Amino acid sequence: TQLLEQSPQFLSIQEGENLTVYCNSSSVFSSLQWYRQEPGEGPVLLVTVVTGGEVKKLKRLTFQFGDARKDSSLHITAAQPGDTGLYLCAGAIWRGGADGLTFGKGTHLIIQP
Amino acid sequence: DTGVSQNPRHKITKRGQNVTFRCDPISEHNRLYWYRQTLGQGPEFLTYFQNEAQLEKSRLLSDRFSAERPKGSFSTLEIQRTEQGDSAMYLCASSLLARVSKETQYFGPGTRLLVL
Repeated sequence: TQLLEQSPQFLSIQEGENLTVYCNSSSVFSSLQWYRQEPGEGPVLLVTVVTGGEVKKLKRLTFQFGDARKDSSLHITAAQPGDTGLYLCAGAIWRGGADGLTFGKGTHLIIQP
Repeated sequence: DTGVSQNPRHKITKRGQNVTFRCDPISEHNRLYWYRQTLGQGPEFLTYFQNEAQLEKSRLLSDRFSAERPKGSFSTLEIQRTEQGDSAMYLCASSLLARVSKETQYFGPGTRLLVL
């Protein structure tokens, strides 16, 4: 059973600081997606990474897919209160038939003004 | 707005009652997924359809759960004889299978179920 572990589970920092969230697994994923979820809402897609070693930037957010496609990281520069939310990583494995995404438990991020 | 929509957004029911949720995917998407999310956890996969065919079911999907996608467009998820443990957020997602490695799922706002 593939399992995605996210760390830290909770993070509270001051506005302007930098942070990194990690997503690790022993399984190889064909793609990995990062979502952000607000309370009472569905996850909203931030990025999809497909190639080992791939780096994608979305304004102050930088996403990296590990070379072996088993892990990923999300780095936020100069965090702002609007970045507060639950960040979820989700991996997809293709085995000749598709599975649903496997999600980590998420990182609850609070940015204090 | 042409995103994924779900109805109702909230449902409160008594234990033992049946409930049905609806999901309308993004119009050109051929795949539709159902997930369940409990408090403090990430979403867990329940089942998915490619067009009207239900191709996979998770072990989480007990016999009391049934999902349909009769015309390959909207889908319904029914829970019979609800139990308090069914209380959760039920999420629907859709995707367009063009190239597998680039398949991206887009989620709806979810239906929050509370079983009393």
